[in-house]
Amino acid sequence: GESVGLHLPTLSVQEGDNSIINCAYSNSASDYFIWYKQESGKGPQFIIDIRSNMDKRQGQRVTVLLNKTVKHLSLQIAATQPGDSAVYFCAEKASNDYKLSFGAGTTVTVRA
Amino acid sequence: SAVISQKPSRDICQRGTSLTIQCQVDSQVTMMFWYRQQPGQSLTLIATANQGSEATYESGFVIDKFPISRPNLTFSTLTVSNMSPEDSSIYLCSVLLGTDSYSYEQYFGPGTRLTVT
Repeated sequence: GESVGLHLPTLSVQEGDNSIINCAYSNSASDYFIWYKQESGKGPQFIIDIRSNMDKRQGQRVTVLLNKTVKHLSLQIAATQPGDSAVYFCAEKASNDYKLSFGAGTTVTVRA
Repeated sequence: SAVISQKPSRDICQRGTSLTIQCQVDSQVTMMFWYRQQPGQSLTLIATANQGSEATYESGFVIDKFPISRPNLTFSTLTVSNMSPEDSSIYLCSVLLGTDSYSYEQYFGPGTRLTVT
């Protein structure tokens, strides 16, 4: 079946630098995408979302980019902080479904 | 938004026994989900639990192994039956507020960390 996946399982970034987390998806019927952050011992928390009629959306220190041509999603975190250390998941929803499909996750470690 | 609590937060159980996990939401919601997250892995949907109807299970999950109750719009339970070490995972409750891409909001509980020995 079609699924969402991530390019890299781990990312180490210096505090203050920008982080970029990538995600590839394969379901061309997906119309909605979400990034979640999961800290150790906690459930996933919503970071930012984007609909398929957009290619960029910005939040506080985060930006999500969507390239539907190559089915690629990315999350950019500006001025990465120690509190950004977590596992980041992308998830997608098909237009004819209510269920999310989750990618494998990228572990981000921030170096002081 | 929705605030979700789960009990227990963690447990260590012996193989062959069963554990019931409770999920409480601070508001009435129609759609609730149960996910499994195996160590170092992503989230896998076990089933969708709607009040007033039988849970709908995903491929690879069966009611005999993971019976679910949904007695009202704020509460659900998931039982992990006849446990084996392979059931060691984090079990997450989730609720959905709005289902289309313009109103979609899915929230997760803190999870129940289960270790089976």
